[in-house]
Amino acid sequence: DGGITQSPKYLFRKEGQNVTLSCEQNLNHDAMYWYRQDPGQGLRLIYYSQIVNDFQKGDIAEGYSVSREKKESFPLTVTSAQKNPTAFYLCASSPGVGYGYTFGSGTRLTVV
Amino acid sequence: QKEVEQNSGPLSVPEGAIASLNCTYSDRGSQSFFWYRQYSGKSPELIMFIYSNGDKEDGRFTAQLNKASQYVSLLIRDSQPSDSATYLCAVMPWTQGGSEKLVFGKGTKLTVNP
Repeated sequence: DGGITQSPKYLFRKEGQNVTLSCEQNLNHDAMYWYRQDPGQGLRLIYYSQIVNDFQKGDIAEGYSVSREKKESFPLTVTSAQKNPTAFYLCASSPGVGYGYTFGSGTRLTVV
Repeated sequence: QKEVEQNSGPLSVPEGAIASLNCTYSDRGSQSFFWYRQYSGKSPELIMFIYSNGDKEDGRFTAQLNKASQYVSLLIRDSQPSDSATYLCAVMPWTQGGSEKLVFGKGTKLTVNP
């Protein structure tokens, strides 16, 4: 079945550590997105990519980095520069303009 | 700044009633409108989309769009306890270059009481 797979489901990060969240899709979608969700804050866009080897900053890109070397994959690295990384991270993809997103199941990141 | 506003709720309705969820948006040129349902601890899932003024029905769900008033709503008929979730409104604003970034509201929490 086609879909988006995010891993891991839960992730714990120590202070000063970089961690990478995986996002893989087999929907043949060109566009992929990373959102962060905090209680009462709604979804906030971190990075997005409309095509392989190209990506753009979203509204809250500081402390995060991404790559898009393959159409299927869009990993997100949460760096030590991100001071408040505890949140629910959602990856999404879209086939193009005017279509809604399909979301992965999310990764819950906690700083310990 | 393109914005999407929703009443955060919680909205509480009895089982079998009609639940009405509302959303307003700031960008008059917005083209596409989406409703997502998000259960607690889960990711959002797309339940309805609408592009043209008027009503669109899918089972117990009806999406209504009024572009002149910059207003979109979701009606859930014969509400069931399983409909209890947070409902996110998402809007695709018009941008040069055709970027498909959605702007999300913060969501309305719906509780359907048995």
